[in-house]
Amino acid sequence: NAGVTQTPKFRILKIGQSMTLQCTQDMNHNYMYWYRQDPGMGLKLIYYSVGAGITDKGEVPNGYNVSRSTTEDFPLRLELAAPSQTSVYFCASSRQGPTYYEQYFGPGTRLTVT
Amino acid sequence: SQELEQSPQSLIVQEGKNLTINCTSSKTLYGLYWYKQKYGEGLIFLMMLQKGGEEKSHEKITAKLDEKKQQSSLHITASQPSHAGIYLCGADSGGGADGLTFGKGTHLIIQP
Repeated sequence: NAGVTQTPKFRILKIGQSMTLQCTQDMNHNYMYWYRQDPGMGLKLIYYSVGAGITDKGEVPNGYNVSRSTTEDFPLRLELAAPSQTSVYFCASSRQGPTYYEQYFGPGTRLTVT
Repeated sequence: SQELEQSPQSLIVQEGKNLTINCTSSKTLYGLYWYKQKYGEGLIFLMMLQKGGEEKSHEKITAKLDEKKQQSSLHITASQPSHAGIYLCGADSGGGADGLTFGKGTHLIIQP
C-alpha cells in the first residue's frame, strides 16, 4: 500500500492564481482531512470528509474548496491565491473518526504564494 | 475551542540522556495522539491514549495520559540521534468526525 499520497510536493504560485492540491489514499478509509501547518505552529484543520459526497468545514476554510467524488480522492482547491496561504499542506485519512482511529498523513505539499 | 500547549518548545539533549515532553489541554481529552515529524516530511504516528491513567510504550518511547485526562507526557529513555525531530500532540475534543487539534510542537535536537 502506498498509504496517503500528495501531489505536487512543492509549488510556487503568483497572487491571484488558482491550483488544486491532490490527495489520494489506498486504504479504503472513509474519513479524509486537509490541514495546513504554518512555521512554528501546529496543524490547523481546513476541511474534512466522512465519505464520498460529504464534506465539511474545519477551523480555517476561507479561501479553499474541496470535493469528494470517490473514497480514494480528496482534492483541495485554492482560488485566488494569497500570500497568507503560503504554508505546508497535509492530507490525512482514517478508517473512522478521531476518537478511536489514528490518522495517516501524507508527505505534504509546500506552497509559496508570491 | 480546545487548545493544546506543549512544553518545552525546543529541547537540546545529549545523546544517551532521558527527556520528557508535555502536552496540556484546555479541555478533557477523549483521545490523545503523539506524532513525530522529521523536518520537511509528514507526520508519523507514535501512540494513542484514551483512558485516564493509560500508559503505552514503543521501543524507548513511553507516553502517559493523566487521570484527569487533561495532560499527557512523552518520555524518551536513552535518547538517540534517530529521535531528533518535531513531536506533536494531537487531541480529539470529542466533537465527532472533525479532525484533531494539534499543539505547536516540540523541536528535539540530540547532540552526539
